[in-house]
Amino acid sequence: GAVVSQHPSWVICKSGTSVKIECRSLDFQATTMFWYRQFPKQSLMLMATSNEGSKATYEQGVEKDKFLINHASLTLSTLTVTSAHPEDSSFYICSASGGRGDTQYFGPGTRLTVL
Amino acid sequence: KNEVEQSPQNLTAQEGEFITINCSYSVGISALHWLQQHPGGGIVSLFMLSSGKKKHGRLIATINIQEKHSSLHITASHPRDSAVYICAAVAVGARQLTFGSGTQLTVLP
Repeated sequence: GAVVSQHPSWVICKSGTSVKIECRSLDFQATTMFWYRQFPKQSLMLMATSNEGSKATYEQGVEKDKFLINHASLTLSTLTVTSAHPEDSSFYICSASGGRGDTQYFGPGTRLTVL
Repeated sequence: KNEVEQSPQNLTAQEGEFITINCSYSVGISALHWLQQHPGGGIVSLFMLSSGKKKHGRLIATINIQEKHSSLHITASHPRDSAVYICAAVAVGARQLTFGSGTQLTVLP
C-alpha cells in the first residue's frame, strides 16, 4: 500500500523557536495533503488542507501565520510551527491523498513538546 | 454538519472473542474510513468503504448507506489487536474527514 512518512517522529524545543515537520508520500503523488493535530485522549482535528502548488486552506480557529504550510511538490508538504509555545505541544499527523475519491494515507505522526 | 458517533467508547475482550465496533453518521457520505491507532500514535488505514462489505484477514467492515451506519468486526481477537479504532466519514462533496471519538479496544490474553 501507499506509504507516507513524517520527519521528525518527535521533537523537543524551547519556547519561542520554530519547528518544521515534513510529510512525504513515498510511492505516489499526493495532490492533497491534510494536517491534523491530536491532544491526549482526543480525536484528530483537521488543521488545514493543502493542494500542491496552491495556498493551504485553514480550518476555523487555526492561525495561518502560526502554522505555516508549504506543499511545494507532489510528494512533500511541510508544517512549520512558528514561535512555538507550550500550548502547541501536541501530536501532529499528516495524511496524503492522490486524488478525489482516493483514500487518505496517514503518516506516523510527530510528537512536539515545547518546553 | 456531519456528526460521527462511535460506540462503545471502551471495549475489553478476552482473546478469541468476536468484536464489533459501531459507527453512525448524520449526513450523506461518499466514503467511510476505519482507522487503527496504536499507543505510539501512528495511524493505519484499515478500510475505505462506500457500500457493502470489505474483508481483510480477521477484519470485516460493513456499511449500510440507508441507515447511515457502519460496523467493524474483528474475528478471533488477539492482544495485538489492542488499539484505538476510529471511524471517519467524508461527506458528499467534501474531501475532509469527520472523525468519530474512537473506541479503545483492549484484548486480554
